[in-house]
Amino acid sequence: AQKVTQAQTEISVVEKEDVTLDCVYETRDTTYYLFWYKQPPSGELVFLIRRNSFDEQNEISGRYSWNFQKSTSSFNFTITASQVVDSAVYFCALSGYSGGGADGLTFGKGTHLIIQP
Amino acid sequence: DTGVSQDPRHKITKRGQNVTFRCDPISEHNRLYWYRQTLGQGPEFLTYFQNEAQLEKSRLLSDRFSAERPKGSFSTLEIQRTEQGDSAMYLCASSLRGDYNEQFFGPGTRLTVL
Repeated sequence: AQKVTQAQTEISVVEKEDVTLDCVYETRDTTYYLFWYKQPPSGELVFLIRRNSFDEQNEISGRYSWNFQKSTSSFNFTITASQVVDSAVYFCALSGYSGGGADGLTFGKGTHLIIQP
Repeated sequence: DTGVSQDPRHKITKRGQNVTFRCDPISEHNRLYWYRQTLGQGPEFLTYFQNEAQLEKSRLLSDRFSAERPKGSFSTLEIQRTEQGDSAMYLCASSLRGDYNEQFFGPGTRLTVL
């Protein structure tokens, strides 16, 4: 069975601080995908990033960066110089790979990030 | 560029009534997914379609839940004999078949069962 754990229920920081959201996953699949989604107060889930299990390169996109470590089954997300607009619930998710594609996502419970001005 | 749309956005019903939700995926996407999200939790996968074929339905919460995608375009999710525990946000997502499973989500339908 697959499982995603986001141990941080809520994080509150002051604007411009850096913040890291933790994600630990469990899977028996050798090929799998990891994702981060953002859910702002409006409610619609926004895709942020996908990472394949065979690609452990870290990725940076503007103020966002992701650290994938298979050895510790972690896929952490860092926001540099946080802004109030970053306030949202962030979900880490995992999917396996079956046949010609992957299947339903297994989500963590989310981390509520509050950026105070 | 039209995203995933869902209708209605909100539904209030009385316990025991049947409800049906519609999802229109991104036009070129052949995969369609349904999820349920309750307060304070992440979305929970229910079922998915590739074109009109329902490839996974073991995660549907009970036999009161059913989904269809008759022509491989829009999909409907029906809940029969609703219960108060069915109150939740029902999310639809779509993706392209391929090596990746990048799912794009709609705004959801919020169901309240009185």
